[in-house]
Amino acid sequence: DTAVSQTPKYLVTQMGNDKSIKCEQNLGHDTMYWYKQDSKKFLKIMFSYNNKELIINETVPNRFSPKSPDKAHLNLHINSLELGDSAVYFCASSPIRGRAREQYFGPGTRLTVT
Amino acid sequence: QKEVEQNSGPLSVPEGAIASLNCTYSDRGSQSFFWYRQYSGKSPELIMFIYSNGDKEDGRFTAQLNKASQYVSLLIRDSQPSDSATYLCAVTIMYSGGGADGLTFGKGTHLIIQP
Repeated sequence: DTAVSQTPKYLVTQMGNDKSIKCEQNLGHDTMYWYKQDSKKFLKIMFSYNNKELIINETVPNRFSPKSPDKAHLNLHINSLELGDSAVYFCASSPIRGRAREQYFGPGTRLTVT
Repeated sequence: QKEVEQNSGPLSVPEGAIASLNCTYSDRGSQSFFWYRQYSGKSPELIMFIYSNGDKEDGRFTAQLNKASQYVSLLIRDSQPSDSATYLCAVTIMYSGGGADGLTFGKGTHLIIQP
């Protein structure tokens, strides 16, 4: 009964490959996010989706393309992987009620590009 | 550029003492403020959120917000070794058009509770 789940947990691939990370939440939340945490542990937002609609797209290369088939799922596809893409990618979700809009994170996907 | 600043530490506190973690933010439009705890190799875990000036208490944790000074703090009373982790301060900003908002994180403070 995991609230926010991601697959795979670990992903090792070579430069130039294309890969996808999947995220699912069973909390009934309206909004989902992708965050990247680099080697210095700095956590930065990449994308935000509200009810399958892209709301936030921070300065992320267009090699990264999020897709939301329904409001419980937000997948991240990455084309032409580069060494600098190595990081931990976290999916998160948030309810749209009240002012706080607290976010709950998935377990993360550690991507290593060689 | 919206920024959230934290002292990276490490902050070393003896067991049983009060740990005090601080955070400042640059955007006066920020509306909600969060503290997350992250153990090494794990995902951020929400500890507290606050959106009104003043103090908010939950068990051993107290969040303090001063919007005039653009300052947020987290106090951990009766610190335990299990509190040793990185504490991330995060700020929500509403994007134009409303709807979803993202979190801007500080770089985190590494807290060590010494037995």
